[in-house]
Amino acid sequence: AQSVTQLDSQVPVFEEAPVELRCNYSSSVSVYLFWYVQYPNQGLQLLLKYLSGSTLVESINGFEAEFNKSQTSFHLRKPSVHISDTAEYFCAVRNTGFQKLVFGTGTRLLVSP
Amino acid sequence: DAGVTQSPTHLIKTRGQQVTLRCSPKSGHDTVSWYQQALGQGPQFIFQYYEEEERQRGNFPDRFSGHQFPNYSSELNVNALLLGDSALYLCASSGPGLGLNEQFFGPGTRLTVL
Repeated sequence: AQSVTQLDSQVPVFEEAPVELRCNYSSSVSVYLFWYVQYPNQGLQLLLKYLSGSTLVESINGFEAEFNKSQTSFHLRKPSVHISDTAEYFCAVRNTGFQKLVFGTGTRLLVSP
Repeated sequence: DAGVTQSPTHLIKTRGQQVTLRCSPKSGHDTVSWYQQALGQGPQFIFQYYEEEERQRGNFPDRFSGHQFPNYSSELNVNALLLGDSALYLCASSGPGLGLNEQFFGPGTRLTVL
């Protein structure tokens, strides 16, 4: 079985500062990794995913995440955040042989002026 | 493209009642998954439907059941509601083939059990 740990329940940061949201996973088999974002009163939106190949993956809005197999991590980073990045961010893992996503408990990113 | 739609948006029920939630997948998608998101938690996988059959199930009791129709839309039924069933119920759809690497989520149905 897989599990996902997001140690930081909330990360406050000032606008234009860099941010890192941490994600560690546990699995005995190969996995796919995902970051989803949830804005207030909305569903989840896929931010980026790692399936194979390059361990560094990027989103269209400036976020990036790096898959580190030895540390079983998939941390999300952004060099300069905006007020509009305020949201809940969920890391998720999926066994390559099965369909269900296993989510972490989420990290609330709070960007202030 | 309307994306994944869910109805109703909000629902209030009392303990012991039954509820049905509905989901229409994104156009061209044939697989529907249901998740329960309790307040302050990440979504938990309930089950997935493909070709009108339950393909995979999470750790939820039999009170939770589902159905998929020939047009790929889906229903989630919960019987004998408990206070702990209060949550946001999310539907996600994915496209043909076993790739299924991206699930598109709907806005959810907020269920409150009193």
